[in-house]
Amino acid sequence: SQQGEEDPQALSIQEGENATMNCSYKTSINNLQWYRQNSGRGLVHLILIRSNEREKHSGRLRVTLDTSKKSSSLLITASRAADTASYFCATARMDSSYKLIFGSGTRLLVRP
Amino acid sequence: DGGITQSPKYLFRKEGQNVTLSCEQNLNHDAMYWYRQDPGQGLRLIYYSQIVNDFQKGDIAEGYSVSREKKESFPLTVTSAQKNPTAFYLCASRTAPGSTEAFFGQGTRLTVV
Repeated sequence: SQQGEEDPQALSIQEGENATMNCSYKTSINNLQWYRQNSGRGLVHLILIRSNEREKHSGRLRVTLDTSKKSSSLLITASRAADTASYFCATARMDSSYKLIFGSGTRLLVRP
Repeated sequence: DGGITQSPKYLFRKEGQNVTLSCEQNLNHDAMYWYRQDPGQGLRLIYYSQIVNDFQKGDIAEGYSVSREKKESFPLTVTSAQKNPTAFYLCASRTAPGSTEAFFGQGTRLTVV
């Protein structure tokens, strides 16, 4: 079963607006990662946040992690049409397992 | 250039046939993964391997088989036992468990004809 569930499933915004996507997961984790996928392509890593971190920034990306609620959010500020893609969270568990489990994804459309 | 390569990009299979999808990486990564993605859906883990000659079932391993004879290679065979194999297949690798990102290939789109 999938570890993470993203919310919303789809999001449509105007260029320049901010986009927020949420991810919930079930088990204790070592870290949580966000990936981007352009249509029909492989995934590209965006940012990783460790279980002992609460917030992380990378350029226009801001990720938060609340381990008590088992949830994370990805904020893309000042969105651009080129940000149109699907975004997935992935969790790596606390045990020594190599398993990397992905959520169901949020499809983001940024209208020019 | 270092990276992870999947081939072929498109693959057509007749019902009842086995097909093998290739995944090769030159990143010297220990762990490799196979995921299946259906249209508009997330990624589901088929198999993963932590080290040469070892691999573990993921959430949807039935109808699939893998091998890991070399560190660089992790081929996936879709057998005739897989009743609904039409999907987008993604291979990934990463160095070790813990705080490392995964690198993905560009995927193979398999269609049953």
